[in-house]
Amino acid sequence: QKEVEQNSGPLSVPEGAIASLNCTYSDRVSQSFFWYRQYSGKSPELIMSIYSNGDKEDGRFTAQLNKASQYVSLLIRDSQPSDSATYLCAAPLTGGGNKLTFGTGTQLKVEL
Amino acid sequence: GAVVSQHPSRVICKSGTSVKIECRSLDFQATTMFWYRQFPKKSLMLMATSNEGSKATYEQGVEKDKFLINHASLTLSTLTVTSAHPEDSSFYICSASRDGNNQPQHFGDGTRLSIL
Repeated sequence: QKEVEQNSGPLSVPEGAIASLNCTYSDRVSQSFFWYRQYSGKSPELIMSIYSNGDKEDGRFTAQLNKASQYVSLLIRDSQPSDSATYLCAAPLTGGGNKLTFGTGTQLKVEL
Repeated sequence: GAVVSQHPSRVICKSGTSVKIECRSLDFQATTMFWYRQFPKKSLMLMATSNEGSKATYEQGVEKDKFLINHASLTLSTLTVTSAHPEDSSFYICSASRDGNNQPQHFGDGTRLSIL
């Protein structure tokens, strides 16, 4: 089983809708989770960090963490075409310092 | 916010040339930096972990003599692709994280390397 798993998509949502991106992880010890956005041909950009159970909101983005079920999600409200990108979920490798394990990424397409 | 600068952004050179890529953390000290490679439409692939003042830790299958890493200060790591060949053409990305547990990585803008 991969340590961090994501549906590769593409996930298509209409403009203005809520996009929901999901990620599951296998290491129960993981304490922190990160969401990165990567536009085509560009490097990843950190958009959210979450460390405790529950929701964390930042503008149109909400990260949700459920440690009991071992999943973390990212909600994007009022999706815009500029949100079209690949979203990567990441968690630190146990015993690996700040070395991260990345999911394969979910491609999001926001359609006009 | 944390800023990581990577230079150059693009390199085009002849086969056999060695190419050096710099990665700098501009507003924080980074004992550890990371080097990734990414092929078109593929996932990030970690190549090595760069450790300040000591040898880099390479991932399985990555040739340490081919990809030389130097991390001589707390804000600078360099990756040198030695005697580059067309198959080394790729998008190389560095990242750095603040010291301490559970810190995110902050990525540079990447270097697109094209070997003719």
